[in-house]
Parts: sequence; structure tokens; C-alpha cells
Amino acid sequence: AQSVAQPEDQVNVAEGNPLTVKCTYSVSGNPYLFWYVQYPNRGLQFLLKYITGDNLVKGSYGFEAEFNKSQTSFHLKKPSALVSDSALYFCAVRDSSNTGKLIFGQGTTLQVKP
Amino acid sequence: GAGVSQSPSNKVTEKGKDVELRCDPISGHTALYWYRQSLGQGLEFLIYFQGNSAPDKSGLPSDRFSAERTGGSVSTLTIQRTQQEDSAVYLCASSLTGVNTGELFFGEGSRLTVL
Repeated sequence: AQSVAQPEDQVNVAEGNPLTVKCTYSVSGNPYLFWYVQYPNRGLQFLLKYITGDNLVKGSYGFEAEFNKSQTSFHLKKPSALVSDSALYFCAVRDSSNTGKLIFGQGTTLQVKP
Repeated sequence: GAGVSQSPSNKVTEKGKDVELRCDPISGHTALYWYRQSLGQGLEFLIYFQGNSAPDKSGLPSDRFSAERTGGSVSTLTIQRTQQEDSAVYLCASSLTGVNTGELFFGEGSRLTVL
């Protein structure tokens, strides 16, 4: 079965520093991977996805993610964090059932301090 | 509309009552999904619609939960005889189709509190 793991419940970084939010996956077949962000009392907003091609994927708000097949990882990164990046981040993998549904990780809270 | 719309945004009900949650997807999106987000937990898949049919209901937690979709558009999630453990945020998402690799677009959710 497809699954994703986000090993950190919370990540703390100082504003201006680089940030990484970790995600590992387990799939049969080709992985289709996604990152979403959720601000307080809001729905999920799509950040970026990896389907095929370049291992470094660029997305919204200056975020990027690196697909690493050998390590089965898809870590989310940003070179310089902003306080406004503080939110809940979810990694997801597309289910193999061809329904398009996504299987989500447990989420990682990112706290960026001034 | 421009995005996925859900109503009500907040619902407080008493244990044992029935509730209905509504989702209006992005126009033209044939795939519709319901998820549940409980406090401190991730997103739990409930049901998937392609058009008006639901080929995947595998996430519905019990027979108290049901959903329908009419006209290939609006969907209603019904919870009968609500229990306190049903308290959660119910999120609806849509995508252009279920078979491509596109992202899901989420509504802002309906927060259900069962007293």
C-alpha cells in the first residue's frame, strides 16, 4: 500500500535561515508526490508536485522539493524562511488505485521565529 | 465559483442528531473527494466520486456515514446519529478528473463539533 511518513511533528527555524521539512514515501510503481500547506482555520493549498522529470521541483511561495528515488524521499525546502511561512505542511502520495486520491502524511508544523 | 465551496463552515450538534455537510466543487471538475481531519491527526480519506458514482467508499468509517453527488456537481456528506468521535473538520476536494496526475483543490472545510 502507498504511504508517506513525515518524521517530524514540528520544525523550528529562524527567519532568514533555510528550512527543510522531511518526507519519505513507500509506493509500488512510480511515485506521484505532492506538498500542501494549511494555514490556521483554512483548507489545504497546493504547493508543488513531482510526477516525472527533473528531481528538483519548484513551487509556490519560493518553495522547492527534491525527489530522491534511492532514499525514497521528497523533502520540502526553502532557502530563506519567512515568519509568514509558519503553518502545517502535508506531504502526500497519489494512490495506485487510479482514483486520483491522495494519501497524506501526518503533517509537520513549521514555526518560523523572527 | 472560483474555488471549492463548503457549508456550513461550523456546525455544533448534539450527540444522536443527524448532520449534512455540503460541497460545491470547482465547475467542470468531475472528481470529488471527502476527507476528515481530526485534531492532532492527518487527513483521512473518506470517499471518492467520479461524476455521480462513488467507486471508492473504502474510507467511510461506519454505516452512519453516507454521501451522494447529484448532477455531477454538488455533494452532500451525511452523518446519522452523530457521536462525539465524529467531531472533526470535514474537507472536500475536487480535481479535473480522477485518472490524471493533477492536484486536488480543497475547500476550507466544515468544522463539526458533537456535544
